[in-house]
Amino acid sequence: ETGVTQTPRHLVMGMTNKKSLKCEQHLGHNAMYWYKQSAKKPLELMFVYSLEERVENNSVPSRFSPECPNSSHLFLHLHTLQPEDSALYLCASSQTPGAWSGNTIYFGEGSWLTVV
Amino acid sequence: SQKIEQNSEALNIQEGKTATLTCNYTNYSPAYLQWYRQDPGRGPVFLLLIRENEKEKRKERLKVTFDTTLKQSLFHITASQPADSATYLCALGGGGGNKLTFGTGTQLKVEL
Repeated sequence: ETGVTQTPRHLVMGMTNKKSLKCEQHLGHNAMYWYKQSAKKPLELMFVYSLEERVENNSVPSRFSPECPNSSHLFLHLHTLQPEDSALYLCASSQTPGAWSGNTIYFGEGSWLTVV
Repeated sequence: SQKIEQNSEALNIQEGKTATLTCNYTNYSPAYLQWYRQDPGRGPVFLLLIRENEKEKRKERLKVTFDTTLKQSLFHITASQPADSATYLCALGGGGGNKLTFGTGTQLKVEL
């Protein structure tokens, strides 16, 4: 149990569907992240939120839309996805948002997304 | 551009032996390096952090070294056990950017 909970664990969606991934952290952290993990590729940082404010968006297509209503919850809204978007989507949190000081990143178990 | 290299081939070792995993990097001067463990279908779990001014860090059966001249970190698991089988990721941060950059990971298999 890492203190970061993601739902659903598995999601299959059609290219025209709209779905959302949900993340909740119970660690009292101020920063939350969405990462994408595809086979044989490094973890790709998608979005960073600090105290509910988006501080980084790494050129992610607009079909991925994040939402952070408070410092404990993070959503990733999905619509009009492509089959190549199938991957493991990991939510994470850390005490502060920057990588300056050696923040430990706490990851959730991930949501396996399959786009058909 | 920054590049992190970890052995893409799985490392198979016998139980009780020491496993050594390598993380090499180029075009980067990180302030620290982290190692994570990832089991199949699960998120990575933090193991150790070593800073640029530290040569070695230990935690139980784990040892990490950091050579900023060679631009390399070695991750050792002594007295390895089948339960150590997993993918191990290295991640670099703090070197002028505000991101933690991950390698692709090396899969370790410890056999009886």
